[in-house]
Amino acid sequence: NAGVTQTPKFQVLKTGQSMTLQCAQDMNHEYMSWYRQDPGMGLRLIHYSVGAGITDQGEVPNGYNVSRSTTEDFPLRLLSAAPSQTSVYFCASSYSGTSEQQFFGPGTRLTVL
Amino acid sequence: GENVEQHPSTLSVQEGDSAVIKCTYSDSASNYFPWYKQELGKGPQLIIDIRSNVGEKKDQRIAVTLNKTAKHFSLHITETQPEDSAVYFCAAEAGNMLTFGGGTRLMVKP
Repeated sequence: NAGVTQTPKFQVLKTGQSMTLQCAQDMNHEYMSWYRQDPGMGLRLIHYSVGAGITDQGEVPNGYNVSRSTTEDFPLRLLSAAPSQTSVYFCASSYSGTSEQQFFGPGTRLTVL
Repeated sequence: GENVEQHPSTLSVQEGDSAVIKCTYSDSASNYFPWYKQELGKGPQLIIDIRSNVGEKKDQRIAVTLNKTAKHFSLHITETQPEDSAVYFCAAEAGNMLTFGGGTRLMVKP
């Protein structure tokens, strides 16, 4: 199993550009989530999904969209990038929810100029 | 929503000493409290977790204690080794969401 994979590893955007961060898992996990990690602020939940076709907002959803058309994939879209979205983004998954081990991907480091 | 505070933000210990990291949470409905270790350039990995019906849990050199009344839980690492150097995060679960503390950078000096 590859586990949780994220692409790209690094990305530089200009303000106003859009892009999609990719996340995929091959463990047949129902629960998937996106976090952003900023220095001194830990990991903050952006969006999560409890299964295909179901998504919900986390703590910091503004400026981000998600969809979950398959169990395996959970892409994160930045519609109009802003410097405040410069961060490291982690995708995570688990078998059924948050009361169990989350498996994290390796992260995407995003810089918005 | 849930709020998790973690202290200290940095911790430096001598190899072989113990390290303790403390967290407090706000939502009394939280029932699951995991701890994650993050090495440089990698995603966090679960090292131990505890549920609200248990007061303490041990796994070799690592232990976690939970006081639900006071809403705080702690991570204890004994006989620290250089490979324990990393950033540690506590978290609390409520309503399909995990809320993380701000992290503790642990440095173990040989």
